[in-house]
Amino acid sequence: GAGVSQSPSNKVTEKGKDVELRCDPISGHTALYWYRQSLGQGLEFLIYFQGNSAPDKSGLPSDRFSAERTGGSVSTLTIQRTQQEDSAVYLCASSKRVGGLHEQYFGPGTRLTVT
Amino acid sequence: SQKIEQNSEALNIQEGKTATLTCNYTNYSPAYLQWYRQDPGRGPVFLLLIRENEKEKRKERLKVTFDTTLKQSLFHITASQPADSATYLCALAVATGKLIFGQGTTLQVKP
Repeated sequence: GAGVSQSPSNKVTEKGKDVELRCDPISGHTALYWYRQSLGQGLEFLIYFQGNSAPDKSGLPSDRFSAERTGGSVSTLTIQRTQQEDSAVYLCASSKRVGGLHEQYFGPGTRLTVT
Repeated sequence: SQKIEQNSEALNIQEGKTATLTCNYTNYSPAYLQWYRQDPGRGPVFLLLIRENEKEKRKERLKVTFDTTLKQSLFHITASQPADSATYLCALAVATGKLIFGQGTTLQVKP
């Protein structure tokens, strides 16, 4: 079956512009996560959604970052007024439910470069 | 402060040997610990999950141990192959339900 998909795969933008990154999770997965991975680093948690519950936004680095999940499926991560330090790979993952008992399935990521 | 540490130096071993990767943590009490594999340019792929009340878990050539007293997990690959070369990430499940990832250890298996 289809895995987690993300688009675009690469995005180059100028400093100060807004960008939108999209994630299509596996059908039926109620939990969706966004992570950021800088070169040679581990995954930095940004936000997760679980069903209709309020999202856990505790990892968002600033108010320039926001995310929404429409209809319990597709999610969009928006970065406003991009800065060079926002350059990284943004990974989306989904799982049947939130919690350590459930494995996460990752998409291929969106590589964001801010010039 | 809370920390997850994996050996940041790459691990180089000869084909056929056992690779052992370490994940140490402080100031966490995870109920579950997961291991993932990540290849360059790809998202991580789940390998194994171990619960806090399990000492050891095996899957084919993989073995994970979890010592909540030492606050350490060891990840072993036996009879390693060049195809096992990748970055391996440990992840702790915290009370809120999310996973906190270590920075990963890169394994290089030489033929």
